[in-house]
Amino acid sequence: AQKVTQAQTEISVVEKEDVTLDCVYETRDTTYYLFWYKQPPSGELVFLIRRNSFDEQNEISGRYSWNFQKSTSSFNFTITASQVVDSAVYFCAPNTDKLIFGTGTRLQVFP
Amino acid sequence: GAGVSQSPSNKVTEKGKDVELRCDPISGHTALYWYRQSLGQGLEFLIYFQGNSAPDKSGLPSDRFSAERTGGSVSTLTIQRTQQEDSAVYLCASSLDREGWNEQFFGPGTRLTVL
Repeated sequence: AQKVTQAQTEISVVEKEDVTLDCVYETRDTTYYLFWYKQPPSGELVFLIRRNSFDEQNEISGRYSWNFQKSTSSFNFTITASQVVDSAVYFCAPNTDKLIFGTGTRLQVFP
Repeated sequence: GAGVSQSPSNKVTEKGKDVELRCDPISGHTALYWYRQSLGQGLEFLIYFQGNSAPDKSGLPSDRFSAERTGGSVSTLTIQRTQQEDSAVYLCASSLDREGWNEQFFGPGTRLTVL
């Protein structure tokens, strides 16, 4: 059985704050891929980042960084110096034989 | 290049009527996916196509739902005898192929309202 959990339903921050979105993916599979997607108010889902299950190195891309720890089944995503345009719903989505979406975390960034 | 397109963008129908939702994937993408997103909810997987074949139909909610893909391109999701619980946003996505590493590109969705 596979289970993806995004425990944070909603997060509110003030612009320029750093924010970390949590995701826990429980599975017996040894090979899988992990994705984060963003859904802004316009509704169209946008791919952000991905990681495979063999790579636990942290990565940084611009204001985004992500941390995957297989031992704790966590795949967390951090936005540094948040901006109002970051306001959206963020979905963690593991992919084994199909993409499974978490319930999403709504991020609101206030000016 | 052009992204994934879906039509119509909005559809209002009466309970019991049939509806057809269309998806045009990115050219060259062999894999195509349909999802459903109910208000304030996450995405529910419905079906995927590799080429014109649909190996996994496990997500279709009932036999009122069907989908087809022709020419390895356009796909149509059909809902027969619509019910109010079918009201949702139906999202289509495509990817280069079924390799799990490939990200999916999503269309803008079709908002279906069943009265």
